[in-house]
Amino acid sequence: GQQVMQIPQYQHVQEGEDFTTYCNSSTTLSNIQWYKQRPGGHPVFLIQLVKSGEVKKQKRLTFQFGEAKKNSSLHITATQTTDVGTYFCAGLGGQAGTALIFGKGTTLSVSS
Amino acid sequence: EAGVTQFPSHSVIEKGQTVTLRCDPISGHDNLYWYRRVMGKEIKFLLHFVKESKQDESGMPNNRFLAERTGGTYSTLKVQPAELEDSGVYFCASSPQGGGTEAFFGQGTRLTVV
Repeated sequence: GQQVMQIPQYQHVQEGEDFTTYCNSSTTLSNIQWYKQRPGGHPVFLIQLVKSGEVKKQKRLTFQFGEAKKNSSLHITATQTTDVGTYFCAGLGGQAGTALIFGKGTTLSVSS
Repeated sequence: EAGVTQFPSHSVIEKGQTVTLRCDPISGHDNLYWYRRVMGKEIKFLLHFVKESKQDESGMPNNRFLAERTGGTYSTLKVQPAELEDSGVYFCASSPQGGGTEAFFGQGTRLTVV
């Protein structure tokens, strides 16, 4: 089934620095979703991208969907300690192609 | 509106014992997913229900795991007999439609097999 690869696995930054995580698929994605899981918490939906080349912003977060709909990125500008957590991308996959399959996630730590 | 609820929040059992996890999805959500996260690693897909039917169970690790969704409402995930490697956090998620819509996650059940 379709697999979504995500890099880097871990990233440590100083507060105020930028952060980017990348998601890549070997097959074309119909859409891609991003989730954030805080330490000890559960995944929380951030956004969904559907259109080729789509760019969406949420305050300091910028999400992009590649032109070929095979890759996506999440960029955080001027990180804050509240940004700490693991960021996951997710796309449709599984045996039937209808299940939401998650990438391995990028764990972000921020020091002040 | 109540979110996705999971019970219990924590469970510690001995190897060889049986444990049943329960998930109550958001009312009206036909799609229900089970996932497992081990040691802060990836969120591994286990299976996907659409109403009471198993749409995809390709992620179920072996026949020690049995998932049911009676009447298309709540779901249970039974592990029998439990092994040490089954430890992790089991998440349930629901969505009104398939993978093209936001999935709402429960708080998870932290299972520890000793």
